[in-house]
Amino acid sequence: QSVLTQPPSASGTPGQRVTISCSGSSSTIGRNYAYWYQQLPGTAPKLLMYKSNQRPSGVPDRFSGSKSGTSASLAISGLRSEDEADYYCATWDDSLSAWVFGGGTKLTVL
Amino acid sequence: QVQLQESGPGLVKPSQTLSLTCTVSGGSISSGSYYWSWIRQPAGKGLEWIGRIYTSGSTNYNPSLKSRVTISVDTSKNQFSLKLTSVTAADTAVYYCARSSIAEDWFDPWGQGTLVTVSS
Repeated sequence: QSVLTQPPSASGTPGQRVTISCSGSSSTIGRNYAYWYQQLPGTAPKLLMYKSNQRPSGVPDRFSGSKSGTSASLAISGLRSEDEADYYCATWDDSLSAWVFGGGTKLTVL
Repeated sequence: QVQLQESGPGLVKPSQTLSLTCTVSGGSISSGSYYWSWIRQPAGKGLEWIGRIYTSGSTNYNPSLKSRVTISVDTSKNQFSLKLTSVTAADTAVYYCARSSIAEDWFDPWGQGTLVTVSS
């Protein structure tokens, strides 16, 4: 069982807006930034969002991140077929002194 | 642009030691303030951080694996390595290496990953 909790699946039709949640605790997201990674099938994860709401260069502004209390969210607007992937949240756990990941959310574009 | 590449045996017998190497190209492993991490992913499952080594040589390990893990660095070869002892089938996974830093505390870049199967 993961330290960070994500819904196992999410879906939407092209053009829709989808939100993926990531629930943590006071020792994880409550004290530290959230990070998001996108993993396309058969490839290594790729950084999608850093410091909770910052997009690396090259990531479309359709992707946005937020954090409130002990939870974080990733929103994808204008959903496209190429967004179909697994999404993972991550943060540092002050109690464990370790990086922790969410279990991942499989996004399906219908 | 820094690139990472994992290498090592794809098959390890139960109870033996898993050994992997990550070769860093496009930059020196000893320059800057970087952490070099190992992360694994069992088939169809999520990501698990194994541990990291800092440029200075200090290490942090996942408490759940700490008793079996050693991460080391070889600056002469621009590589860092993972050793995981007493492996079982539960250690079968794709193993990734990745870089982070104090200033940019996220994993980027990642290696392409290497599959290690634990089986007799």
